[in-house]
Amino acid sequence: AQSVSQHNHHVILSEAASLELGCNYSYGGTVNLFWYVQYPGQHLQLLLKYFSGDPLVKGIKGFEAEFIKSKFSFNLRKPSVQWSDTAEYFCAVNAENYGQNFVFGPGTRLSVLP
Amino acid sequence: KAGVTQTPRYLIKTRGQQVTLSCSPISGHRSVSWYQQTPGQGLQFLFEYFSETQRNKGNFPGRFSGRQFSNSRSEMNVSTLELGDSALYLCASSKGDVNNEQFFGPGTRLTVL
Repeated sequence: AQSVSQHNHHVILSEAASLELGCNYSYGGTVNLFWYVQYPGQHLQLLLKYFSGDPLVKGIKGFEAEFIKSKFSFNLRKPSVQWSDTAEYFCAVNAENYGQNFVFGPGTRLSVLP
Repeated sequence: KAGVTQTPRYLIKTRGQQVTLSCSPISGHRSVSWYQQTPGQGLQFLFEYFSETQRNKGNFPGRFSGRQFSNSRSEMNVSTLELGDSALYLCASSKGDVNNEQFFGPGTRLTVL
C-alpha cells in the first residue's frame, strides 16, 4: 500500500525566509505527485503537480517542487515566504494502479511571522 | 466554471443517527471522491465513484456508503453514527483519468454528539 510522510508537523518562519517542506512516499511504481494547500477557513487548493517530464515543477504563488525518483521524494520550496503563505500544506500521491485514490500526507502547518 | 459544492456545510447529529451528505462536481467531471479529514488521522480516502459505479474504496466500515447519480452528483451516507465519525468530509471531483488532478469542495463539518 502507498503511504506518504511529511518531515515537519509545524514550521515557523519569518517573512522573506526560504521554505522547504519535505515529502516522501512509498510506492515502487509510477506515481503522480501533488502539493495541496489549505488556507485558514478555505478549502484545499492545488499548488502544483507532477505527472512526468521535467522533475522540477513550478506552481502557483512562486512555489516549486522537485521530484527525486531515487529518493522517493517530492519536496516543496519557495525562496521567500510571505505572511499570506500561512496555511497547511499537504503532499499527495496517486499511483497509476490506484485510480483516483489519492493518498495524502499528514500535512505540515506553516506559520509565517510578519 | 463553478467549483465543487457540498451541502450542507455543517451538521450536528447524535450517536446512532444516520446522515446523508451531498456533493455536486464541476461540470463535465465524472469522478467524485470522498475523504474524511480529522486532526488525528489527516485526510483519508473513503471511496470514489465514476459514471455511477464505485471504482475505488478505502478502508472504512460498511456504515459508510455512497452513490452517484447520472448527472455525476454524489451522496455519501453514514449510518449508526459514532462519536469518532465527527470530521470534515471532503468531496473532490475530477475528469476521472489517472492523470487528472482533483478539485476539492469546501467540505461538510459533521459533529456527532
